Amino acid sequence: QKEVEQNSGPLSVPEGAIASLNCTYSDRVSQSFFWYRQYSGKSPELIMSIYSNGDKEDGRFTAQLNKASQYVSLLIRDSQPSDSATYLCAVNGLTGGGNKLTFGTGTQLKVEL
Amino acid sequence: SAVISQKPSRDICQRGTSLTIQCQVDSQVTMMFWYRQQPGQSLTLIATANQGSEATYESGFVIDKFPISRPNLTFSTLTVSNMSPEDSSIYLCSVEDPRGPYGYTFGSGTRLTVV
Repeated sequence: QKEVEQNSGPLSVPEGAIASLNCTYSDRVSQSFFWYRQYSGKSPELIMSIYSNGDKEDGRFTAQLNKASQYVSLLIRDSQPSDSATYLCAVNGLTGGGNKLTFGTGTQLKVEL
Repeated sequence: SAVISQKPSRDICQRGTSLTIQCQVDSQVTMMFWYRQQPGQSLTLIATANQGSEATYESGFVIDKFPISRPNLTFSTLTVSNMSPEDSSIYLCSVEDPRGPYGYTFGSGTRLTVV
């Protein structure tokens, strides 16, 4: 089992819709969770971090964490074509991992006009 | 958030040669992380560089192939040695952001092509 799993997509949503991106992780001791956006040819850009169960909102983005289910998600409201990118889920605090980040394979999001 | 200057941004190199990638951070940081992103893939950690000690390498990566220097708290280099076409990737440095919001910031990346 991979340590951090994401559906590779592509996930296609119409402009203005809600995009829902999901991530599961294997290690219950994981401490912090991050969502990154990566445009083609660019480096990852941090969107959200979350470390407590529940929801965390920042503008059009909401991160949701459920540690019991080992599940973290990212909701993008009012999706725009500029949101089309690959979204990477990352986890730190994995057993034996210390501060390093472990990334999922990423979900490609396409927002269609 | 921290600003990382990474260079070169891209290079095309002959097989058998070496390339050194530099990362300069505008804040002092304890650890710097080096990642590789192969075409169409996610990020894989190569090593963690602490100032004043040997870098810690992940499984599958060795010091002879990817020597790292960390001379101070704002700078690090990664060398890709004796390159082959399989080393063609994007190489990225990253730090745990000292200024917040809490997270890890990445340099702009080095796109390496080995011919």
